[in-house]
Amino acid sequence: GQNIDQPTEMTATEGAIVQINCTYQTSGFNGLFWYQQHAGEAPTFLSYNVLDGLEEKGRFSSFLSRSKGYSYLLLKELQMKDSASYLCAPMDSNYQLIWGAGTKLIIKP
Amino acid sequence: GAVVSQHPSWVICKSGTSVKIECRSLDFQATTMFWYRQFPKQSLMLMATSNEGSKATYEQGVEKDKFLINHASLTLSTLTVTSAHPEDSSFYICSASSGRELYEQYFGPGTRLTVT
Repeated sequence: GQNIDQPTEMTATEGAIVQINCTYQTSGFNGLFWYQQHAGEAPTFLSYNVLDGLEEKGRFSSFLSRSKGYSYLLLKELQMKDSASYLCAPMDSNYQLIWGAGTKLIIKP
Repeated sequence: GAVVSQHPSWVICKSGTSVKIECRSLDFQATTMFWYRQFPKQSLMLMATSNEGSKATYEQGVEKDKFLINHASLTLSTLTVTSAHPEDSSFYICSASSGRELYEQYFGPGTRLTVT
């Protein structure tokens, strides 16, 4: 079956760094997306990885290891506005996104 | 670029009535549109995928006669919740894909439906 595993909730301090891990199992693989979703809002695109390695985009970086079925999202210089849910969504062989429940990130001053 | 709008952003309706939600891609042509439903603290659940000019493909367990999807043009898809019941109250989100950029889906802002 298809499965996503992320921590349910994480807490970090403003200005710090946090890494959100994601392991997945899918039928085929066409890349992995990370989305941010604030409460009551739709997801917004953060990153896309299709090859192994690290993709850096400002304060956010995303890493992928296809052989391990593993990805992480790294957030640096955390700001209060980064408090949100972070969704790891791999894309299967049918180009369908597979969604988990996401990781709720709480930023404390 | 890649902006998707939804209308209305929220709606309250009485049980037994029908509600139509519009999803528009404002600055690109969406060959494929997706409709999701999300209950509080749960993951997005794909309801159906629609390609312009053809019938939508519904996910298992989603009633096609209850959730009518029309994708009449490359910029507009509609979801009609027919004979709504309180259990249909949810956050409905559409997304659109042009099929050109890594199959990325651009999400609309969502529509919160409350059925009383």
